[in-house]
Amino acid sequence: DIQMTQSPSSLSASVGDRVTITCRASQGISNQLGWFQQKPGKAPKSLIYATSTLQSGVPSKFSGSGSGTDFTLTITSLQPEDFATYYCQQYNSYPYTFGQGTKLEIK
Amino acid sequence: EVQLVQSGAEVKKPGESLKISCKGSGYSFATYWIVWVRQMPGKGMEWMGIIQPGDSDTRYSPSFQGQVSMSADKSINTAYLQWNSLKASDTAMYYCARKPASREASFDYWGQGTLVTVSS
Repeated sequence: DIQMTQSPSSLSASVGDRVTITCRASQGISNQLGWFQQKPGKAPKSLIYATSTLQSGVPSKFSGSGSGTDFTLTITSLQPEDFATYYCQQYNSYPYTFGQGTKLEIK
Repeated sequence: EVQLVQSGAEVKKPGESLKISCKGSGYSFATYWIVWVRQMPGKGMEWMGIIQPGDSDTRYSPSFQGQVSMSADKSINTAYLQWNSLKASDTAMYYCARKPASREASFDYWGQGTLVTVSS
């Protein structure tokens, strides 16, 4: 199985800040990497697929980059609604696997 | 409007069977994969498996192979996740999500989740 490791596991930031979350795959996954946002008690929301393509309706404050084994999610101009847990996920090969999540909290 | 609507919360006893559902609407159900994801209380997401409702092609995570079964009825745009004998450790929220057939595409739409509680 491909292991997905996110860092950091938690992150404190202020409204207006820019943050970056990193996701590393245990082997190359081409660009088949997605990012999801989950708020407490809610279903996940899809943000990005194919490493850097925004899902329909997702604001451009979210951006993704990377290739091979190292990927990042960047969120600019943090707003209160952005504080949530973020997950990466590879879909290059079965079983698809998620990172452990990064909890973004308000400082 | 694309929607995935899951069946309601369930409370079961260990050893009981259960089948939960995920009904798609607003798109051609048979041409997209449906995935199932487990989220245990306070934990991260785990990919359980994926099914193609058009031909029922199914792939399971080794962690869930033999523990659950996935099926789909394309005539009623519904996918199912089934247990024959529940354990307390199956207590979790279960989500379905849609995945386009393209290799480049990831999950795009999610169901609202079905909470399964297994307790004696």
